[in-house]
Amino acid sequence: KNQVEQSPQSLIILEGKNCTLQCNYTVSPFSNLRWYKQDTGRGPVSLTIMTFSENTKSNGRYTATLDADTKQSSLHITASQLSDSASYICVVSARNNDMRFGAGTRLTVKP
Amino acid sequence: NAGVTQTPKFRVLKTGQSMTLLCAQDMNHEYMYWYRQDPGMGLRLIHYSVGEGTTAKGEVPDGYNVSRLKKQNFLLGLESAAPSQTSVYFCASRRQGSGYNEQFFGPGTRLTVL
Repeated sequence: KNQVEQSPQSLIILEGKNCTLQCNYTVSPFSNLRWYKQDTGRGPVSLTIMTFSENTKSNGRYTATLDADTKQSSLHITASQLSDSASYICVVSARNNDMRFGAGTRLTVKP
Repeated sequence: NAGVTQTPKFRVLKTGQSMTLLCAQDMNHEYMYWYRQDPGMGLRLIHYSVGEGTTAKGEVPDGYNVSRLKKQNFLLGLESAAPSQTSVYFCASRRQGSGYNEQFFGPGTRLTVL
C-alpha cells in the first residue's frame, strides 16, 4: 500500500534555530518527492522537488535530502524565521502519476 | 494572473442541503483536481480531470460529483450534504505531461455541515 508518513506531527522552535522534518514513504515505483509549505488558511505551495537521482537540493534556507534506497526524505530549515511557521507536507508520486500526501508537520517558530 | 481561485471561501450547510464549489484557473492547465483536507490526515483526492469534458474518481469520491465543461473551470457538487463532509476543500491544477509538473493549489473552501 502506498503510504507517506511524516514526523514529527508538530514542532516548536525558537527563531534563529534550525530544524529537520522527516518523511518516510512506501510509494512504488517511485517517481519524485515534493515538499510543500502550507500557511494557515492557504493552499500548499511547492518548495522543492526531488527525483530519484538527486540526493540534496537547496532552496534558500530550505534543504531537502532524499535517500531512495531507504525511502526517506528530510527537509532542513536553517536559521528559522517567524514566517517559517506553517505546515510542511511531503508528497510522493509514483511513475503512474499516483500521488500520496503525508499528513504534514506543523512547525511553530516563536520569537 | 490569479492562478487558482475557489469560491466560496466559507460555507455552512445543513444536512441534506446541496451546494457547488467552483474552481477556476487561468494558467491553461489541462489537469485539475479536488481534494479534501481533514485534521491529522493528508490531502485526499476526491475527483480529478485530465481535460475538458473528462472526469475520473479519486480516492474518496462517494457523495461528490464533478463537472468540467470548460477547461478553466472544475466544479465540485454535493447533492445531499452530510456532517462527514465537513472539511476544507482544495482545488489544484497542473500542466499535462510529466509527473514532475507542479500542482498549483487554490486557497481552499472551508465547509461545515451541521
